[in-house]
Amino acid sequence: DVKVTQSSRYLVKRTGEKVFLECVQDMDHENMFWYRQDPGLGLRLIYFSYDVKMKEKGDIPEGYSVSREKKERFSLILESASTNQTSMYLCASSLSAGGGKTQYFGPGTRLLVL
Amino acid sequence: QKEVEQNSGPLSVPEGAIASLNCTYSDRGSQSFFWYRQYSGKSPELIMSIYSNGDKEDGRFTAQLNKASQYVSLLIRDSQPSDSATYLCAVNSGAGSYQLTFGKGTKLSVIP
Repeated sequence: DVKVTQSSRYLVKRTGEKVFLECVQDMDHENMFWYRQDPGLGLRLIYFSYDVKMKEKGDIPEGYSVSREKKERFSLILESASTNQTSMYLCASSLSAGGGKTQYFGPGTRLLVL
Repeated sequence: QKEVEQNSGPLSVPEGAIASLNCTYSDRGSQSFFWYRQYSGKSPELIMSIYSNGDKEDGRFTAQLNKASQYVSLLIRDSQPSDSATYLCAVNSGAGSYQLTFGKGTKLSVIP
């Protein structure tokens, strides 16, 4: 079974803090994704990576950066947290070949920025 | 702009009935189609994937794809209260893309 884990289930941070969200997958997937999910807005792609040290902007990259130093790990960084970044953050991974581009999700991190 | 549209619901069905969830997509070249189930406060989990026109059955779930009409649906037979969740439709456009475009989901409520 594919397993995607995220470093925290719940996180409370102050405005202006630097926030790190980590995601690890154990299935040797090439692709990894970060989404945020808000009521009424659905899943929105922040960044994705198709290989180590490679990254591509998604639909809403502003205020975020990412790091992928190892294949299994993809980190999302909020450089200076703001209240409008309060959200559910979801990490996902997928294979590049085969699997039909199926994405498997981690349990999510619910972030509250005060 | 690639779009995936779903009726937000809520869709209410009695226990034991068939629940029918629908999804339309805008990119005619789309090649892979997925249904995810998401319980409140949890992350999406894959239920079904479908790649060819027609029906694909897995237990109580049937996915239906009609590429000509750009339409994909999910039928849940013998609906159970545990099926109450939000169902997300997702589409991959192919052409070397690794991304999925997600609909906003349909909330299903199965009434005991």
